[in-house]
Amino acid sequence: QSALTQPASVSGSPGQSITISCTGTSSDVGGYSYVSWYQQHPGKAPKLMIYDVSNRPSGVSNRFSGSKSGNTASLTISGLQAEDEADYYCSSYTSRSTPVFGGGTKLTVL
Amino acid sequence: EVQLVESGGGLVQPGGSLRLSCAASGFTVSSNYMSWVRQAPGKGLEWVSVIYSGGSTFHADSVKGRFTISRDTSKNTLYLQMNSLRAEDTAVYYCARDQTGLYYFDYWGQGTLVTVSS
Repeated sequence: QSALTQPASVSGSPGQSITISCTGTSSDVGGYSYVSWYQQHPGKAPKLMIYDVSNRPSGVSNRFSGSKSGNTASLTISGLQAEDEADYYCSSYTSRSTPVFGGGTKLTVL
Repeated sequence: EVQLVESGGGLVQPGGSLRLSCAASGFTVSSNYMSWVRQAPGKGLEWVSVIYSGGSTFHADSVKGRFTISRDTSKNTLYLQMNSLRAEDTAVYYCARDQTGLYYFDYWGQGTLVTVSS
């Protein structure tokens, strides 16, 4: 199972919005609404930010939102804050009943 | 409070074996789907293995036949037995809880580093 495709890096200024894309195939992202997103700060464990494409776990800011169209899922962060600077990973359920992660995107807050 | 604490990582020679442990508190391991996820230095996340609440286990192709996931209900602990280790297995290994079976990992351990090198 090949990793999902994410941009290596994105950047934005405080207060702006950014979107991170996550492209897969019909065997993963396109075939299921079981996409999740994780935030990982350096040296820390990942944190679940979005599940079921667009749902936020309790405690996650509503500045984080998710969507999907065809084989591509997206994570949007609005009102960028310095603390949002981190690596972000998408993940999808696959036709093999296993998950596949994206390669990760480094978000820089300018 | 839910907590996951991994242990057992370290330096091992190629071809060697290691067993990782993940002690859980605040919930019951056997009532959840539990996975191991690894991250090579400077690289992305890679799912490794899962054990279902019903006891079924599955492994990524990259570790199939070499790694075995298991649990001890009496100790509320998850394990990963790693045999025939290769340099490419070098990574931080995380255990993670998934309540849904859809690989939504809502709690993660702090990770334990495995280094395979001669």
